[in-house]
Amino acid sequence: DAGVTQSPTHLIKTRGQQVTLRCSPKSGHDTVSWYQQALGQGPQFIFQYYEEEERQRGNFPDRFSGHQFPNYSSELNVNALLLGDSALYLCASSLAGRGRTEAFFGQGTRLTVV
Amino acid sequence: AQSVAQPEDQVNVAEGNPLTVKCTYSVSGNPYLFWYVQYPNRGLQFLLKYITGDNLVKGSYGFEAEFNKSQTSFHLKKPSALVSDSALYFCAVRDSRSSASKIIFGSGTRLSIRP
Repeated sequence: DAGVTQSPTHLIKTRGQQVTLRCSPKSGHDTVSWYQQALGQGPQFIFQYYEEEERQRGNFPDRFSGHQFPNYSSELNVNALLLGDSALYLCASSLAGRGRTEAFFGQGTRLTVV
Repeated sequence: AQSVAQPEDQVNVAEGNPLTVKCTYSVSGNPYLFWYVQYPNRGLQFLLKYITGDNLVKGSYGFEAEFNKSQTSFHLKKPSALVSDSALYFCAVRDSRSSASKIIFGSGTRLSIRP
């Protein structure tokens, strides 16, 4: 049973560029959440996708957008990259309607903006 | 609004001694509470959760946590620490009123176990 997989594992981009990160949820899960973890900090909630729609959003600018596909996989897009966007981006999957369950996390994508 | 506080940035314990990592939370409804562990350059691994029932919950690797509603706390404990327990630990909370509620994390506590 595959867990949550994210790609790529590492990425270096130049300020002002755009980036797309990808996530495949754990088998059987239908909800994907994205988190940003800056160095030395806890994960910060970006947004959550369910049934191909953004269901909740954290305090992040519109430069951060996402998408969920019919197979439940998801993409995180960040436009006009800033140096401050450098962080570990984590994808978490869970089951809708099962708020009692924990979320399962991928290994993350380390984004460095130079 | 939901929030989680981990008052200690770092906890240092000798191997074999008991350890406690503190966590307090704030949520409007009844809480679902979680502990996760993170090793260097890795994602978060689930340790344990409190949903309802017994206030003492047991999880992976010998860890346990005690839910205290009156003190709004969910401290992580282990009777005898191992050097391999050294890692970054995150407490997290979710509001039980909505199945769609997001998980909110604390800032993390670095646990260091000395041989």
